[in-house]
Amino acid sequence: QVQLVESGGGVVQPGRSLRLSCAASGFSFSTYGIHWVRQAPGKGLEWVAVISYDGSNKYYADSVKGRFTISRDNSKNTLYLQMNSLRPEDTAVYYCAKDRWAVVAATTYFDYWGQGTLVTVSS
Amino acid sequence: DIQMTQSPPSLSAFVGDRVTITCRASQSISNYLNWYQQKPGKAPKLLIYAASSLQSGVPSRFSGSGSGTDFTLTIRSLQPEDFATYYCQQSYSTPLLTFGGGTKVEIK
Repeated sequence: QVQLVESGGGVVQPGRSLRLSCAASGFSFSTYGIHWVRQAPGKGLEWVAVISYDGSNKYYADSVKGRFTISRDNSKNTLYLQMNSLRPEDTAVYYCAKDRWAVVAATTYFDYWGQGTLVTVSS
Repeated sequence: DIQMTQSPPSLSAFVGDRVTITCRASQSISNYLNWYQQKPGKAPKLLIYAASSLQSGVPSRFSGSGSGTDFTLTIRSLQPEDFATYYCQQSYSTPLLTFGGGTKVEIK
């Protein structure tokens, strides 16, 4: 069965960096786009970033553009999110979510999600 | 950016009730609208895609409708396991995807 397992969350001071990982199994990882979606405590869902199946296309929400970098290693079936210059407003549970397609399209949706990893940005 | 507005933000209902949740887009998004269910401490789960298509394995009491700017999610007969928060999400402006603010369905 499809599994996505996030890791790397924790408490970090403002301005510091953190790298999240998402280990995938149960499907052909190199065939699908993958997203990061976050949820601040008690708040709604916010799309963060997406990477295409081969890593050639990457897109970001304005709130993280220039600070976060999404990447993938298809040989390791793993997705990454490098988060730099972290701010208190980046505090959230970060989910990786599988796209139904190899590259994002208007008919896209998130068909599988990981359980999330909590990032807390605080001094 | 396309804004998605859900209403109501929360509602209380009895088991067996028919429940309707509304999602409005700030511009026309055709039928590029998906619905998710999230239970406390859990990841969201896809219910409906393309406004009205039921995801495999989702009970048939869930249905979606709408096109353009106005969409609805209906739960025909609310079950105890349906108490959760529901989110709409547009994919028209791919790759920039946005969610509604959520509707929390609570037990009355």
